[in-house]
Amino acid sequence: GDQVEQSPSALSLHEGTGSALRCNFTTTMRAVQWFRKNSRGSLINLFYLASGTKENGRLKSAFDSKERYSTLHIRDAQLEDSGTYFCAAASSGSWQLIFGSGTQLTVMP
Amino acid sequence: GALVYQYPRRTICKSGTSMRMECQAVGFQATSVAWYRQSPQKTFELIALSTVNSAIKYEQNFTQEKFPISHPNLSFSSMTVLNAYLEDRGLYLCGAREGVLYEQYFGPGTRLTVL
Repeated sequence: GDQVEQSPSALSLHEGTGSALRCNFTTTMRAVQWFRKNSRGSLINLFYLASGTKENGRLKSAFDSKERYSTLHIRDAQLEDSGTYFCAAASSGSWQLIFGSGTQLTVMP
Repeated sequence: GALVYQYPRRTICKSGTSMRMECQAVGFQATSVAWYRQSPQKTFELIALSTVNSAIKYEQNFTQEKFPISHPNLSFSSMTVLNAYLEDRGLYLCGAREGVLYEQYFGPGTRLTVL
């Protein structure tokens, strides 16, 4: 079935640095969403993309349906960016979201 | 803004009993509501999708007999976990959206513990 492979599973960054999270899809997806799980366990919407790129502050996301991947770039990481990040892609058939396994981001002083 | 509320936030039930959880969309018309479960050490699994004017569609490994869902209007959905056992524990999330081309909003989840 449709799958979403998210990497890395864990990531440590020093404050002020940056990195990228990636999700690869086994089939063509129509759209992708990125979330961060906050300290209370709620999923916070970061981005929704049907194509191209979007930027919001220190976060930038890209989605390439044809190449079957999406990325989330974090620059100038801050301590409060720590948490678990999830991508979820909408399958071509049902449009329902299929989640990646998450990336545990730790930002260190 | 668009918000999704879920209650209760946490619940504990004895093995073999049932519990009901609710989901409410506020600030938008939810034409579809999806229920997910995050089991310990796992990612989010889709349980079922409820779309206005369509029958509720359950994913493989989940059945209506075990997880009956009620979706009486565009703002409210409820799901019951019948005869809960250890393997049913986890975080149950409700996601709602206005249409297929719109982003999905999630509630904070109902955490189910089974004793």
